[in-house]
Amino acid sequence: EVQLLDSGGDLVQPGGSLRLSCAASGFTFSSYAMSWVRQAPGKGLEWVSSISGLGSPTYYADSVKGRFTISRDNSKSTVYLQMNSLRAEDTAVYSCAKDIVENSGSYGAWDYWGQGTLVTVSS
Amino acid sequence: EVVLTQSPATLSLSPGERATLSCRASQSVSSYLAWYQQKPGQAPRLLIYDASNRATGIPARFSGTGSGTDFTLTISSLEPEDFAVYFCQHRSNWPLTFGGGTKVEIK
Repeated sequence: EVQLLDSGGDLVQPGGSLRLSCAASGFTFSSYAMSWVRQAPGKGLEWVSSISGLGSPTYYADSVKGRFTISRDNSKSTVYLQMNSLRAEDTAVYSCAKDIVENSGSYGAWDYWGQGTLVTVSS
Repeated sequence: EVVLTQSPATLSLSPGERATLSCRASQSVSSYLAWYQQKPGQAPRLLIYDASNRATGIPARFSGTGSGTDFTLTISSLEPEDFAVYFCQHRSNWPLTFGGGTKVEIK
């Protein structure tokens, strides 16, 4: 059974940093691109970042480019999102998501999602 | 950036009725469009990918059509569990974007 467990969300001050983790199980992790998608309270979905199965290439939304870094450790079946210079508008539930197609680079559609972890940026 | 516009914002229907949801792209996304269903407090669920392919385990009452800039998600006969918010999303180029969503509510 595929499982994605998001963690690391917290309350952080503007300008602060946070690292999110997504631990995966139930599939050959290194064969699938992974992504982070966020949802601000009461709002729609926003794609944040994607990483291919082998760790490169990576892709970012303009709103987070230069501040967030996606990475993965295939030996631990875990994908990370390092978030720096956080802003109030980054407040959201962040979920990792698994690509539907194996060995695709980054297909950009997702069949399994984590339950999400809440990031709150506030002083 | 491709802007996806969904309509209507809210659809009020009764169980058993047909639901037709629209997603329009600001530029062609070919057939690279997906549809997701989201219920309160839950993660999104992939329904359709590449415009018309049902994801694994998705009932046949869900169907997707379209290409280029105009797409439709049809639920042929609404079941009680289908009342939710539906989002479209493209994967034609970077950045990936979502539509604003259509809420299907019980009339």
